[in-house]
Amino acid sequence: DTAVSQTPKYLVTQMGNDKSIKCEQNLGHDTMYWYKQDSKKFLKIMFSYNNKELIINETVPNRFSPKSPDKAHLNLHINSLELGDSAVYFCASSLGTGRPHGYTFGSGTRLTVV
Amino acid sequence: QQPVQSPQAVILREGEDAVINCSSSKALYSVHWYRQKHGEAPVFLMILLKGGEQKGHEKISASFNEKKQQSSLYLTASQLSYSGTYFCGTEDLRTDKLIFGTGTRLQVFP
Repeated sequence: DTAVSQTPKYLVTQMGNDKSIKCEQNLGHDTMYWYKQDSKKFLKIMFSYNNKELIINETVPNRFSPKSPDKAHLNLHINSLELGDSAVYFCASSLGTGRPHGYTFGSGTRLTVV
Repeated sequence: QQPVQSPQAVILREGEDAVINCSSSKALYSVHWYRQKHGEAPVFLMILLKGGEQKGHEKISASFNEKKQQSSLYLTASQLSYSGTYFCGTEDLRTDKLIFGTGTRLQVFP
């Protein structure tokens, strides 16, 4: 039973399209995150939600909009995709804020914009 | 600001030791260490919460020097399975954000 699952695993799409990535965790964690890993392997935080509430919103274009319908789900919708959006997007979860805990990552979604 | 890791890459023979360093320009609250194998997700190794704390995980251990804003990961008697990219992650009290370091690619050969 996968702890943090993301779908789809691969996404190939044309510039200008809109796409969504879904994430679900069954660990009972309170906090979920979206990270972007570029071609140089740098992992950059994009968003963080704690129990459905947005708590971190990095300098990310408005075309990216996260949504958390409940604390077990965090989705990422991307409008008007650009070539520079090509990357691997990782969802992650942790027990909660207040005291640091290790993060559990999903398997990633490789987005390729052509 | 992103923590800087050194070295950028390490090549080892099985059984050799390695040290990976992580330095931050900001005061730290905690340091995480993760390993990512090619094409896979990062996997949590350990977290250090206090200055001067050391932790161990099989033959992998780490130290955290809060005053120097540095952490080091020690891999002893390396195994083939240790190959991958290692990331430190640092949190600060103000932002509660986990910022990952620049990464260190480790390759272990027979």
